[in-house]
Amino acid sequence: QQQVKQSPQSLIVQKGGIPIINCAYENTAFDYFPWYQQFPGKGPALLIAIRPDVSEKKEGRFTISFNKSAKQFSLHIMDSQPGDSATYFCAASESNTGNQFYFGTGTSLTVIP
Amino acid sequence: DAGITQSPRHKVTETGTPVTLRCHQTENHRYMYWYRQDPGHGLRLIHYSYGVKDTDKGEVSDGYSVSRSKTEDFLLTLESATSSQTSVYFCAIRRQGGGYTFGSGTRLTVV
Repeated sequence: QQQVKQSPQSLIVQKGGIPIINCAYENTAFDYFPWYQQFPGKGPALLIAIRPDVSEKKEGRFTISFNKSAKQFSLHIMDSQPGDSATYFCAASESNTGNQFYFGTGTSLTVIP
Repeated sequence: DAGITQSPRHKVTETGTPVTLRCHQTENHRYMYWYRQDPGHGLRLIHYSYGVKDTDKGEVSDGYSVSRSKTEDFLLTLESATSSQTSVYFCAIRRQGGGYTFGSGTRLTVV
């Protein structure tokens, strides 16, 4: 079973738009929720991460919104740029179990100039 | 990137042959991981290590084995490669603060 469910599978937005990628989880023991960005031919790179004691975290144009009661979190990209075109993965982990990360299936984002 | 190197970057091998992929880190991190990436599945954990000679299975460990004889090296072996093991393999280390740093990946094709 997929521990972390991610949607949509793909997303196309115009430059300046605000793409939103959503993830949901079931395991309430998860306590670390990172987002990774991956460009073709490269490994995923950590973009931003949140812990469940806060509902929102911003780093530059990237924002994570976290809803603990709904067991959902989402990534918002403000003022999106063509250079943001990449695949984005959400993930979740439980700190006390060797930090195995469970990844979503990925969202392919295309930002049109 | 950040002291983690995977080799080889690309490999084509025949069904039934053994294959070993190498992950090398230069920063003395305790935790190391092997993931495979496939379309529609995201990244799935194969095996991980929490110290020299200390390893454990992930969710897709069948057909794979690992070894860690030194802190800096984590090897992934496909004992007898099958076409279903055609994939991109990523090694990762866990950083202070919880995040992973991934290597650049190995694209393996089993023909």
